[in-house]
Amino acid sequence: AQTVTQSQPEMSVQEAETVTLSCTYDTSESDYYLFWYKQPPSRQMILVIRQEAYKQQNATENRFSVNFQKAAKSFSLKISDSQLGDAAMYFCAYRRRRMDSSYKLIFGSGTRLLVRP
Amino acid sequence: DGGITQSPKYLFRKEGQNVTLSCEQNLNHDAMYWYRQDPGQGLRLIYYSQIVNDFQKGDIAEGYSVSREKKESFPLTVTSAQKNPTAFYLCASSMSPSSYNEQFFGPGTRLTVL
Repeated sequence: AQTVTQSQPEMSVQEAETVTLSCTYDTSESDYYLFWYKQPPSRQMILVIRQEAYKQQNATENRFSVNFQKAAKSFSLKISDSQLGDAAMYFCAYRRRRMDSSYKLIFGSGTRLLVRP
Repeated sequence: DGGITQSPKYLFRKEGQNVTLSCEQNLNHDAMYWYRQDPGQGLRLIYYSQIVNDFQKGDIAEGYSVSREKKESFPLTVTSAQKNPTAFYLCASSMSPSSYNEQFFGPGTRLTVL
């Protein structure tokens, strides 16, 4: 069974600085998707970034980028130029790419990001 | 505006009662999902539906039931058989069940059993 692990319950960053959130996963599949979701205090889940496992190039969305290491099964999120609005819970999630009944997202336990002004 | 709505935002239930959480989407999405979130944990899938009149159990379906009579609606009933129902419940939808498609989430319902 697939599992997702976020080993950092909480991280803190100074405004305008860079922070990296860690995520590792376990799977026997070769083709899959990985996601980072943000959950602000409003508790609405928002997709931050997505990575297809078959793509070697790391995904980037403005200030957010990932470091995808497929062999190491690592998928970290880097937030550059941190802003106060980045403060939230961040969840790493995995999904199989194969079209079968397993459409679920498998989530890590989350990392709370604090941003210091 | 297009989106997913969940109601109510807060719900209180006495032990032994069934309660139904509402989830409505106007995104014309085929697939809908229910997740449960507990403190210190990520989301876990309760039920999902790929198409109207069809739904499948997720990882923690025991004590829950759903229906999908309309494309835009996917209500979740928490029955008295659910041993520990106090949690935050999130509904999501996606354009199709394809794994590529992003899941959009509603604002959630906080259920507390008194």
